[in-house]
Amino acid sequence: GAVVSQHPSWVICKSGTSVKIECRSLDFQATTMFWYRQFPKQSLMLMATSNEGSKATYEQGVEKDKFLINHASLTLSTLTVTSAHPEDSSFYICSARDTREQPQHFGDGTRLSIL
Amino acid sequence: AQTVTQSQPEMSVQEAETVTLSCTYDTSESDYYLFWYKQPPSRQMILVIRQEAYKQQNATENRFSVNFQKAAKSFSLKISDSQLGDAAMYFCAYRSGSSGDKLTFGTGTRLAVRP
Repeated sequence: GAVVSQHPSWVICKSGTSVKIECRSLDFQATTMFWYRQFPKQSLMLMATSNEGSKATYEQGVEKDKFLINHASLTLSTLTVTSAHPEDSSFYICSARDTREQPQHFGDGTRLSIL
Repeated sequence: AQTVTQSQPEMSVQEAETVTLSCTYDTSESDYYLFWYKQPPSRQMILVIRQEAYKQQNATENRFSVNFQKAAKSFSLKISDSQLGDAAMYFCAYRSGSSGDKLTFGTGTRLAVRP
């Protein structure tokens, strides 16, 4: 149980385009979803937290107009990187949980490469 | 703010032997959760074990156990009978029990298992 699916797993696109990453909870209701960014050989850094039906809460230093998060249902959250540039290239990971007492379960991550 | 420190960037263990990964944290809270996550080369974050701060008994999951020393703010992970599949990055993480859902990760320990 507690499976989180993230898609796509790898995307390469040109500078200036927008990229959407999906995060789905397959067998539980994801009341809260989280988006992380991980640079090579570094730890995960939380970008934002989203609760179903509410606006996402962004961490300090994360541009909310750059990284659009939508959490419209209890099983799906999306992260859209708008007007992506090479410095946005990174590994993006989502996680989801049901109640606060439950741990976060992570997706497989998306490797984003901007040329 | 809470901080999580993993002082061992890399560790190595012989197959079938036991290894202990260190983690210390800093917090002024009394209610919190601690986690160990494993990130294999596939990059998916896998929950290994969790510990509630209010529980005195150390958590155990098969070959994985923790040594939780609340007063010393230490949370080490012991892997017994190490297997080749245990090779991965291991991240220690902290989550407040009362304020927010944010997971604060340590910088990780890369574990190599020698056949």
